[in-house]
Amino acid sequence: GAVVSQHPSWVICKSGTSVKIECRSLDFQATTMFWYRQFPKQSLMLMATSNEGSKATYEQGVEKDKFLINHASLTLSTLTVTSAHPEDSSFYICSARDSRGRSTDTQYFGPGTRLTVL
Amino acid sequence: AQSVTQLGSHVSVSEGALVLLRCNYSSSVPPYLFWYVQYPNQGLQLLLKYTSAATLVKGINGFEAEFKKSETSFHLTKPSAHMSDAAEYFCAVSESDSWGKLQFGAGTQVVVTP
Repeated sequence: GAVVSQHPSWVICKSGTSVKIECRSLDFQATTMFWYRQFPKQSLMLMATSNEGSKATYEQGVEKDKFLINHASLTLSTLTVTSAHPEDSSFYICSARDSRGRSTDTQYFGPGTRLTVL
Repeated sequence: AQSVTQLGSHVSVSEGALVLLRCNYSSSVPPYLFWYVQYPNQGLQLLLKYTSAATLVKGINGFEAEFKKSETSFHLTKPSAHMSDAAEYFCAVSESDSWGKLQFGAGTQVVVTP
């Protein structure tokens, strides 16, 4: 099946620094990618929808200036957490939709990135 | 607005016994419903989905789910649990046919005992 990777799988950073997380579709092209956030023992919350070549659409309550999303190619979307603070510590998961028509109705999920801000 | 409620954050089942995971949804329009499984340190994998066709949906690994509009439910079942079924299970709903903007339930951790 289709594979989505995320890098890094985990990261620890100091408060005030920025962290970039990459989401790649390895064997298919993804017009649309999604970014989710998952707190311990909680559900996945959609943060934003990332469309290749256009600005991301953020969900209500998500700070677009804090969570910068770039979807510059059909296989790569990045999420940058700017000026990270301890409350940003979370598990970030991306997903991608296959845009070639083979399985356009399925989202493929990455393995997630664990961010810890000290 | 759409929402999903999964009853029971943890379920323990004996190997070979029935697995039943409950999911109720709320949606203002006919929903699309999904069950995903997440194994430790892995991404979410689609088990099955309901797309307004047959109300009984069969998925991978022997799982199936039945859409019941009158009960606004989409419970997941498997007749005989296997040790490899130990994982986190998420029910999700989408109100559009674009398969985006999934609203997830809180998840149910399944433990399988020998």
